[in-house]
Amino acid sequence: GENVEQHPSTLSVQEGDSAVIKCTYSDSASNYFPWYKQELGKRPQLIIDIRSNVGEKKDQRIAVTLNKTAKHFSLHITETQPEDSAVYFCAATNNDYKLSFGAGTTVTVRA
Amino acid sequence: DADVTQTPRNRITKTGKRIMLECSQTKGHDRMYWYRQDPGLGLQLIYYSFDVKDINKGEISDGYSVSRQAQAKFSLSLESAIPNQTALYFCATSGGTGDQPQHFGDGTRLSIL
Repeated sequence: GENVEQHPSTLSVQEGDSAVIKCTYSDSASNYFPWYKQELGKRPQLIIDIRSNVGEKKDQRIAVTLNKTAKHFSLHITETQPEDSAVYFCAATNNDYKLSFGAGTTVTVRA
Repeated sequence: DADVTQTPRNRITKTGKRIMLECSQTKGHDRMYWYRQDPGLGLQLIYYSFDVKDINKGEISDGYSVSRQAQAKFSLSLESAIPNQTALYFCATSGGTGDQPQHFGDGTRLSIL
């Protein structure tokens, strides 16, 4: 099955700086890569996703890049704000409807 | 998503008890999932269902069972609860093809003493 590794496990950034989270996956057939944000005690919520036919996608301060050759994808948050503090999960699926999740990155934005 | 509702939200019970967690959705999705989340860990898939007649085991199905009573309802049971099943449980739904996002309920916090 798919194995997704996520780094770093914790990330502390100064407000206004950028944050980058990286994930690698093992199954070359994987073709859908969502990112979820989970605030303390809340449900995971989709913030951005990318499909294998594109290399980059951007939505305001959030962007995701995908390198299929190297089997890794990254989340970029620019101009970080305190409300960006949360746990972020990457995931991957090979169209079998099952998502394999990374272990999560706890992001803390320092004011 | 208020469209995915889990009950109860919190439950404390004793070892050996049978527990049922329920999930209902109004999104009209065919696919439903149960996940377990432990502190500091990602989401682990317990069971998933692609339609009413389809049930599949996930990564960690031992000690759990499920029932898909209708397209909109998917319940998770712990037949004889044990303390290491203490965790946060999430139900999720998805529709369309495999490259569609999953939508999560608010979760059930389960504590087994």
